[in-house]
Amino acid sequence: AQSVAQPEDQVNVAEGNPLTVKCTYSVSGNPYLFWYVQYPNRGLQFLLKYITGDNLVKGSYGFEAEFNKSQTSFHLKKPSALVSDSALYFCAVNPPTSGTYKYIFGTGTRLKVLA
Amino acid sequence: ETGVTQSPTHLIKTRGQQVTLRCSSQSGHNTVSWYQQALGQGPQFIFQYYREEENGRGNFPPRFSGLQFPNYSSELNVNALELDDSALYLCASSLGSSGGPQNTQYFGPGTRLTVL
Repeated sequence: AQSVAQPEDQVNVAEGNPLTVKCTYSVSGNPYLFWYVQYPNRGLQFLLKYITGDNLVKGSYGFEAEFNKSQTSFHLKKPSALVSDSALYFCAVNPPTSGTYKYIFGTGTRLKVLA
Repeated sequence: ETGVTQSPTHLIKTRGQQVTLRCSSQSGHNTVSWYQQALGQGPQFIFQYYREEENGRGNFPPRFSGLQFPNYSSELNVNALELDDSALYLCASSLGSSGGPQNTQYFGPGTRLTVL
């Protein structure tokens, strides 16, 4: 079955430190991968996506993600965390062979940046 | 550029009732997808509409149905509401031929449905 895993329910990091939010996937074919952020009582905001090409993708608000095909991972990173980055982060995959153009989401990782 | 909007913001219904949720897609987008996000979970795909035709469906029963209108806005209808239907319902719009998988989906703020 095609799936996305976010192994950490919560990640705590001190302000100014680098942050990593992990995502691994299990899909057939070459996946399209996305990261979204959700603030309380809000919808999902698009951060970045990987379609093809350079494995390091840069996105909004200083976030970046690295696609690793051999490890089937797409971890989200930021060199220096801000308190305002505290939110719920979702990784999603859109399998090109799914037959439908749906996103499969992970269960989310809550990021807490401590001042 | 107008973003994705959804109405209403919140809704309370009782078991067995029917509900209609509405979504206006981002300007220029021709594809709308609907997702259900239960508390503490990631969004689950319900279905997608492209140019007024259903273009894929997730594992949801037939009492979940939808429409897309010529202006690409959309409705999600749920009949015979059950307690487990309580969730945040998210609409997302995108642009592309048949909502191609590489096309980014932009989400609205959601409708919080509570079924009592």
